[in-house]
Amino acid sequence: ETGVTQSPTHLIKTRGQQVTLRCSSQSGHNTVSWYQQALGQGPQFIFQYYREEENGRGNFPPRFSGLQFPNYSSELNVNALELDDSALYLCASSWSGSGANVLTFGAGSRLTVL
Amino acid sequence: GENVEQHPSTLSVQEGDSAVIKCTYSDSASNYFPWYKQELGKGPQLIIDIRSNVGEKKDQRIAVTLNKTAKHFSLHITETQPEDSAVYFCAASPPSGGYNKLIFGAGTRLAVHP
Repeated sequence: ETGVTQSPTHLIKTRGQQVTLRCSSQSGHNTVSWYQQALGQGPQFIFQYYREEENGRGNFPPRFSGLQFPNYSSELNVNALELDDSALYLCASSWSGSGANVLTFGAGSRLTVL
Repeated sequence: GENVEQHPSTLSVQEGDSAVIKCTYSDSASNYFPWYKQELGKGPQLIIDIRSNVGEKKDQRIAVTLNKTAKHFSLHITETQPEDSAVYFCAASPPSGGYNKLIFGAGTRLAVHP
């Protein structure tokens, strides 16, 4: 059983640029969610995807968007990057039939915005 | 919205001692309370969880207690070992916003000294 894998592990962007982060769900999982973890803080919920549709969103602006593909993998896109977007972005997957909320996290993509 | 407060922010114990981390939540409708361990360079790993219909749950050296009336829950680690050193996060699941939505505390950095 493979876990949640994310790419890239590290990346550096400049303010105003756009970034795409990728996530492969754990085998057997059909739901994916994304979290932002600023340095020294707990993860913050961005949004979740189920059946290729966003069906839950946290307090993040529309320039944060995502996709889920038929194989349950996912992308997080962030447009017009700001300095405060520098953080560890975590992807988590789960199986909707196992009881809500039991998440498996990936190791994250660390984004630095200069 | 839901808010989760976690204390202490840092905790230092001697190997073999017990460690206790406490969290309070604001939304009385929250019904799922997981605890995650995050080691350096890794994503959060679920170590134990409890649902609102249970008051206590134990898994070897780790236990969690939930007091729904007071809206607080605690993690207890007995016979601590150096490999328990990590950042621990509590979380609560509000009833709205998606079933993968977790509200995390700010984390507790646990150091276990040999």
